Amino acid sequence: GAGVSQSPSNKVTEKGKDVELRCDPISGHTALYWYRQSLGQGLEFLIYFQGNSAPDKSGLPSDRFSAERTGGSVSTLTIQRTQQEDSAVYLCASSPTGNNQPQHFGDGTRLSIL
Amino acid sequence: GEDVEQSLFLSVREGDSSVINCTYTDSSSTYLYWYKQEPGAGLQLLTYIFSNMDMKQDQRLTVLLNKKDKHLSLRIADTQTGDSAIYFCAEKRGGGNKLTFGTGTQLKVEL
Repeated sequence: GAGVSQSPSNKVTEKGKDVELRCDPISGHTALYWYRQSLGQGLEFLIYFQGNSAPDKSGLPSDRFSAERTGGSVSTLTIQRTQQEDSAVYLCASSPTGNNQPQHFGDGTRLSIL
Repeated sequence: GEDVEQSLFLSVREGDSSVINCTYTDSSSTYLYWYKQEPGAGLQLLTYIFSNMDMKQDQRLTVLLNKKDKHLSLRIADTQTGDSAIYFCAEKRGGGNKLTFGTGTQLKVEL
């Protein structure tokens, strides 16, 4: 079956612009995660959605970052007024439920801020 | 500290065994994972172990867990050139759902 799908695979934008990154989880997976991978910070947790519960936003680095998950499926990560330090690979993962189920990752979106 | 530690680099010859080590931090971690990342790709789940287990074997992969020392290792038998990648260990800390990742070990397999 299809894995986690992320789009776009690459995004180049100018500093100060807003960007939207999309994640389509594995069908039937109720838990969805966003992580960021950068050279300086490694892999960092950003946000977690589980069903209809309030999301765990504890990893979002600033209020310029937000995420939504519509209809319990597709998620969008939005970064407003992008800065150069936002350049990274943004990875999405999903799992069947949130409880101790392995997380399966997409190939990520490589974001470059000029 | 908060960090999950791994050595940065490992080089082996094709056909030899590789052992990648990881030291984690939280004694309440419930599950520990190994992921593989090839260039330009996301993270591929290789295997995982529950914290009440000492060992898990899955084909060429063997995971060893020493809870007392908070030490996790991944052994790859008969290492092939296709195993060249970065390997990440990750812990799921008690009560949480996010993964905390190690720094990654780049495995290079030489002919």
